[in-house]
Amino acid sequence: DTAVSQTPKYLVTQMGNDKSIKCEQNLGHDTMYWYKQDSKKFLKIMFSYNNKELIINETVPNRFSPKSPDKAHLNLHINSLELGDSAVYFCASSQFPQADEQYFGPGTRLTVT
Amino acid sequence: GQQLNQSPQSMFIQEGEDVSMNCTSSSIFNTWLWYKQDPGEGPVLLIALYKAGELTSNGRLTAQFGITRKDSFLNISASIPSDVGIYFCAGRNDYKLSFGAGTTVTVRA
Repeated sequence: DTAVSQTPKYLVTQMGNDKSIKCEQNLGHDTMYWYKQDSKKFLKIMFSYNNKELIINETVPNRFSPKSPDKAHLNLHINSLELGDSAVYFCASSQFPQADEQYFGPGTRLTVT
Repeated sequence: GQQLNQSPQSMFIQEGEDVSMNCTSSSIFNTWLWYKQDPGEGPVLLIALYKAGELTSNGRLTAQFGITRKDSFLNISASIPSDVGIYFCAGRNDYKLSFGAGTTVTVRA
């Protein structure tokens, strides 16, 4: 059984489009995260939700909007996509916000052309 | 976010070799973590360190939390082909993990 799943795995789209990436975890965790991994493999936290409440909101353009309908799901919507948004986006979850072990999904490779 | 300096950026290994990598930061962290990322997958936690000076092993992996709380190293002993991948250090304060840029380990032909 997949612990943290993301869809889609690959997303190719044109500049200016709006797209969403979905994430689900079946671990019963309270906390979920979105990370961006750039072409140099650098991983940077974007957002974190705990029990559907936003607890981390890094310096991310307003075009990125996370939504957590329940604590098992954290979706990422991106408006007006730009070339620089091309990256691999990882969803992760942990039992609670201070938990050290974060379980990562397989990633979504977004390519903006 | 806080920047972690991880070195080396990449390394080539031959089977059976010992491998070492480290991570430094200008900031103090309460917890140091080491993750491994295989191609096409997300990072997986290898070792977590909670106390300054702590030395922890997980099979062939050994990691230490630096006394100053600003650094950590990871050793892999007797490397095997499946050790290839990207190794990330991460430091945690409060709710946030800050990651290093990764060390890419490749098998030397």
